[in-house]
Amino acid sequence: LAKTTQPISMDSYEGQEVNITCSHNNIATNDYITWYQQFPSQGPRFIIQGYKTKVTNEVASLFIPADRKSSTLSLPRVSLSDTAVYYCLVGFSGNTGKLIFGQGTTLQVKP
Amino acid sequence: GAVVSQHPSRVICKSGTSVKIECRSLDFQATTMFWYRQFPKKSLMLMATSNEGSKATYEQGVEKDKFLINHASLTLSTLTVTSAHPEDSSFYICSARVSGRGTEAFFGQGTRLTVV
Repeated sequence: LAKTTQPISMDSYEGQEVNITCSHNNIATNDYITWYQQFPSQGPRFIIQGYKTKVTNEVASLFIPADRKSSTLSLPRVSLSDTAVYYCLVGFSGNTGKLIFGQGTTLQVKP
Repeated sequence: GAVVSQHPSRVICKSGTSVKIECRSLDFQATTMFWYRQFPKKSLMLMATSNEGSKATYEQGVEKDKFLINHASLTLSTLTVTSAHPEDSSFYICSARVSGRGTEAFFGQGTRLTVV
């Protein structure tokens, strides 16, 4: 399972764009990159997944360079409600599809 | 999207008693579910993989006799914390995948267990 490295914490202000970068140097050919969001005392929520280049949905964008050794989650115009922990996960461990979580990035959005 | 429902959301029990937590996939069938525990300000730690109709697979260091998992149907997995002690107090979360959705997984809302 490819190990991921993210910043432990980030601060931002309302209305700004936030970019969180995740390093995954050992990503395998068949691995996908997935981002989850977790609020306190709640289960994680899927945000976005991608394999290469750029993926965009109604919530975020995911940028993946050609070598796929890193990825960047982009949150446009954040609000206070985007304060949460963001997890980057790569691929699946074994054949059962289990997800192994890294430390995550705690994003604090300030007014 | 697919919904995973977990019950109860909070439970307080006395030391030495057992507590059962239910995890249901409401609108899809889940042959595999996953159980995590999370301590305050820490990441999720995978405890075990629950397999419908067969024994669960536990991660290294997780006591299978302590944390009993049953996955009797395609929509229900249960985690029973047996002979609970204060150190078992934690946030327990289940999740499941939907076939064909890639790496997307769906998580329950979590269960806050407090052992007194």
